Amino acid sequence: GAVVSQHPSRVICKSGTSVKIECRSLDFQATTMFWYRQFPKQSLMLMATSNEGSKATYEQGVEKDKFLINHASLTLSTLTVTSAHPEDSSFYICSAGEPHFHGGTQYFGPGTRLLVL
Amino acid sequence: AQKVTQAQTEISVVEKEDVTLDCVYETRDTTYYLFWYKQPPSGELVFLIRRNSFDEQNEISGRYSWNFQKSTSSFNFTITASQVVDSAVYFCALSDQIQGAQKLVFGQGTRLTINP
Repeated sequence: GAVVSQHPSRVICKSGTSVKIECRSLDFQATTMFWYRQFPKQSLMLMATSNEGSKATYEQGVEKDKFLINHASLTLSTLTVTSAHPEDSSFYICSAGEPHFHGGTQYFGPGTRLLVL
Repeated sequence: AQKVTQAQTEISVVEKEDVTLDCVYETRDTTYYLFWYKQPPSGELVFLIRRNSFDEQNEISGRYSWNFQKSTSSFNFTITASQVVDSAVYFCALSDQIQGAQKLVFGQGTRLTINP
């Protein structure tokens, strides 16, 4: 398999602050990464597709000004939750995979638990 | 639109029993991939298997086996001789692209509890 890391693993912040989450592919380059959100006891919901060198593509209902995505290099994508509110508290997971690497299988990071007070 | 249905929300069995997790999918694509992931309490998704739509051969990996039936749009997962460490939430997923990056559509997940 492949390794995808996420940092931080857990963050607690006050309402109104911004939180940045990093997603890194450690042993392959990823032109595309995906960001998912998972609420307790629910499935993963795709938030956006992060494209290296271009703008992210957001799923319907996801506010692009709220969830800023930057894919500045082939191994790093960042998700910034701006002006976080308690309803943004969730488990955020990124994934990465490339067609030439294991047939494009998506490998997931360990996730980031965000708690907004 | 693509859709994945895991009708079993929760399953609880006693250790050493066999258990099958069901997955039914919907897609208009003729080429696609199906996946199973395991999510233990730690939260990280662990890749288990990828199957492309052209390969209907069943696969076995240790105590795990998968039954892909295109005719019924199902991709079921069986754990033989279950162990406590198998307790987790299992997700079935479908990709909507076979070329390029694969955006996944997940089922609702099945929470599997193996009791000692």
